[in-house]
Amino acid sequence: GAVVSQHPSRVICKSGTSVKIECRSLDFQATTMFWYRQFPKQSLMLMATSNEGSKATYEQGVEKDKFLINHASLTLSTLTVTSAHPEDSSFYICSARDIFGNSPLHFGNGTRLTVT
Amino acid sequence: GQNIDQPTEMTATEGAIVQINCTYQTSGFNGLFWYQQHAGEAPTFLSYNVLDGLEEKGRFSSFLSRSKGYSYLLLKELQMKDSASYLCAVRANTNAGKSTFGDGTTLTVKP
Repeated sequence: GAVVSQHPSRVICKSGTSVKIECRSLDFQATTMFWYRQFPKQSLMLMATSNEGSKATYEQGVEKDKFLINHASLTLSTLTVTSAHPEDSSFYICSARDIFGNSPLHFGNGTRLTVT
Repeated sequence: GQNIDQPTEMTATEGAIVQINCTYQTSGFNGLFWYQQHAGEAPTFLSYNVLDGLEEKGRFSSFLSRSKGYSYLLLKELQMKDSASYLCAVRANTNAGKSTFGDGTTLTVKP
């Protein structure tokens, strides 16, 4: 089945530093990937839609200059949390869908970010 | 926009049947998905409905009524490992096809 690889799985960083999270589709091409954030005991909140070869589409309230998204190829999207602060500590999950219209989202295993 | 409602918590007994409901309001509908998420892990796909009716897959079934904006996930022969959060998600009818998730229903299966 379709597999999405996300890493790192856990990262601890100091306040003010930047963290890059990678999301790869391993056995299918994904023109679109989605980045979600999930706080404890809450649902997944869509942050942005990552489009291969073009700019990402950000959801309302998500700062595009803080959460940089690059989707340079059909199998790789990256999310960079710039100048991280403790309030950015969360579970970040990427997902991708193959080119067939009604296929479900395949999720990466998530990245637990802790900013100290 | 999209608005999705599902119960916050449910409890059921091992071996029993449980039904988790989901109601939604959306400006453009292109399918409803159910995902299972264990604590600290990413969601995993369970089922998909785009047409009215029942989809069955082993111990899990999902039903959709588009006219009522209603779906349910039915879990049969409950096992302890079914204790998890169950997320209802609605896909938008746009080129990007982004999905909006409900807040999830935490199911606890007791012996």
